[in-house]
Amino acid sequence: DQQVKQNSPSLSVQEGRISILNCDYTNSMFDYFLWYKKYPAEGPTFLISISSIKDKNEDGRFTVFLNKSAKHLSLHIVPSQPGDSAVYFCAARKYSNYQLIWGAGTKLIIKP
Amino acid sequence: DAGVTQSPTHLIKTRGQQVTLRCSPKSGHDTVSWYQQALGQGPQFIFQYYEEEERQRGNFPDRFSGHQFPNYSSELNVNALLLGDSALYLCASSLGQPNEKLFFGSGTQLSVL
Repeated sequence: DQQVKQNSPSLSVQEGRISILNCDYTNSMFDYFLWYKKYPAEGPTFLISISSIKDKNEDGRFTVFLNKSAKHLSLHIVPSQPGDSAVYFCAARKYSNYQLIWGAGTKLIIKP
Repeated sequence: DAGVTQSPTHLIKTRGQQVTLRCSPKSGHDTVSWYQQALGQGPQFIFQYYEEEERQRGNFPDRFSGHQFPNYSSELNVNALLLGDSALYLCASSLGQPNEKLFFGSGTQLSVL
C-alpha cells in the first residue's frame, strides 16, 4: 500500500514563477515530513522538513506547508530557477520506528 | 570532507548469484541505512546499522543482509539474486538516532540478468 503519494509524475514551470509540488499521505503515524531533491546520477539531498506539530516551515526560496486534516503537504519554490530542475521526493517518518516512507517523486522542469 | 561513497557504481549479475555492495559514510557519521530504488519509484528502506548492529529493518527477505564495521563503513549482501532485485541501491549516512536528515551516496546500479 502506498502510504505516501505524489500524484504528479512531472511538472513544468516557467523560470521566475512559483513551483508547487504536492504530496498526500494516508497514515496518521507520521511525525516528520521531508523533501529531498535528486539530480541525475546523484543520490537524493535533503531540502527541507516539517514537524507534524507545525503547519509551515520556510528556508529561503523553499516553503513547506502541512495540512494535517487533509493529510496533505506541499513544497513551494519561489522564484523557480533553472537549477531547481530535478526530481523531488516527499518522505514521511513513522514515529513508531523512525523509518522513512517515500513517495515516487515528481520531476520538476524549469523552463527558461 | 568526503561525502558518502559507494562502490561499485554499476554491477551486472545473473540470477542465483550473490552480490556485495559497499558504502563509506560521510566523515563523522555513525549510522548507515540502505535503500532500494526501483525504476520510477521512491527509495524503499532495507535496513539501518548503528554501532555495528542492525537496528531497523524494512520489508525485505532474509536474502538481504548487511554488516557495519568498526570504522562505520557498511556492506549490503544479497543472496540468490532474482530479476526483481534489479534496482539502484542507495546508501545513506547520518549522525545518531533518530535523524531524518540523511546524506546519500550516488548509488550502485544493479542489473540482474
